[in-house]
Amino acid sequence: SSELTQDPAVSVALGQTVRITCQGDSLRAYYASWYQQKPGQAPLLVIYGDNNRPSGIPDRFSGATSGSTASLTITGAQAEDEADYYCNSRDSSGNLLLFGGGTKLTVL
Amino acid sequence: QLQLQESGPGLVRPSETLSLTCTVSGGSIRTSDYYWAWIRQPPGKGLEWIGSINYSGNTYNNPSLKTRVTIAVDTSKNQFSLKLSSVTGADTAVYFCAYHYRNYENSWLDPWGQGTLVTVSS
Repeated sequence: SSELTQDPAVSVALGQTVRITCQGDSLRAYYASWYQQKPGQAPLLVIYGDNNRPSGIPDRFSGATSGSTASLTITGAQAEDEADYYCNSRDSSGNLLLFGGGTKLTVL
Repeated sequence: QLQLQESGPGLVRPSETLSLTCTVSGGSIRTSDYYWAWIRQPPGKGLEWIGSINYSGNTYNNPSLKTRVTIAVDTSKNQFSLKLSSVTGADTAVYFCAYHYRNYENSWLDPWGQGTLVTVSS
């Protein structure tokens, strides 16, 4: 497969839990990584290797994969979590990188 | 701490070649498990991976850009570069470079440069 599919937009009430999903056949073989991007900034890695957080990323961010769907969960969303989120993984050949189309997260 | 910085012209004329350099500081570009990647983002749109190279010159490129892309590494300067030929307005984007970990079933990009806007216009 050569696609990763994300919902364009998701909203969450302040302090509630939100799950952002990413679908693609290649996720059955390759781990997803997740990036947060705020306006005018470079993307920031928040989850790698399916469910690992880089240093400095709050533990309210977590990842998981089930079959062909990877998910990013924010438990207790904060106002500063409002951003675009992109998933990333390899294609089925393993040679190419794919990005999902991005999900705009609004914290209400 | 590893840092990456893109540099190059902010304006390129249609049909010409876009050339960017990414300078790596705080670490060596000669790292066996890592690649060095270019990614772009058209205004208001999503991220698109352009290609990746390792220190010995092995490259993986996005087939959607076909033969227009050349990525090279200069270990003596701790830099890697991107050339994109025959540009059109569709190539107007913020171009990012990033450190690309790639091993077995794992792959991620971190850290990223701040990005540089390249506009294609006459």
